[in-house]
Amino acid sequence: EDQVTQSPEALRLQEGESSSLNCSYTVSGLRGLFWYRQDPGKGPEFLFTLYSAGEEKEKERLKATLTKKESFLHITAPKPEDSATYLCAVQEGSNYKLTFGKGTLLTVNP
Amino acid sequence: SQTIHQWPATLVQPVGSPLSLECTVEGTSNPNLYWYRQAAGRGLQLLFYSVGIGQISSEVPQNLSASRPQDRQFILSSKKLLLSDSGFYLCAWSRQGGEQYFGPGTRLTVT
Repeated sequence: EDQVTQSPEALRLQEGESSSLNCSYTVSGLRGLFWYRQDPGKGPEFLFTLYSAGEEKEKERLKATLTKKESFLHITAPKPEDSATYLCAVQEGSNYKLTFGKGTLLTVNP
Repeated sequence: SQTIHQWPATLVQPVGSPLSLECTVEGTSNPNLYWYRQAAGRGLQLLFYSVGIGQISSEVPQNLSASRPQDRQFILSSKKLLLSDSGFYLCAWSRQGGEQYFGPGTRLTVT
């Protein structure tokens, strides 16, 4: 069973059409949940870290939220340059390791 | 500011040939270092991580190995490549735990 599941696998939006990406996790003792953006052929770019349920973080058109079982990445009025794969990862207990989901491919059409 | 470098950017190697990928980090000391492989449809898979010079932890049994000869240098190697070793290899660093910062990656194709 996957510890981190992202949905949907792919999402196509029109410019300005707000939506949310989901990341559900099953680890116990969550140390941190991380969101990354990855453009084709490049390394993931760090966006946010969330540590506890109820926490929220924002950056431009993106807002990440965390509950005890899942995290949402809300995209408000997206632009074509927001098109990318968004990855979610969790860190458990005192472990250094990150466990990644398979990502959501977001396409924003002009 | 911190910068992470990987080279080469692209590599095409025949089956059975050796491999050496290098990663260096600038602007920080005693980072944790990581090697990941990203295959289509499978997400990021952690291969090795290191918390200090000469300290390597392996996550997945395979024909790859890693070494950390200097504080900010991490090398991924293989003596004989397999077709299944093809993929996008990513190096990352972090301060202790917490968020990891990734390099630009190496696209490896084994033919």
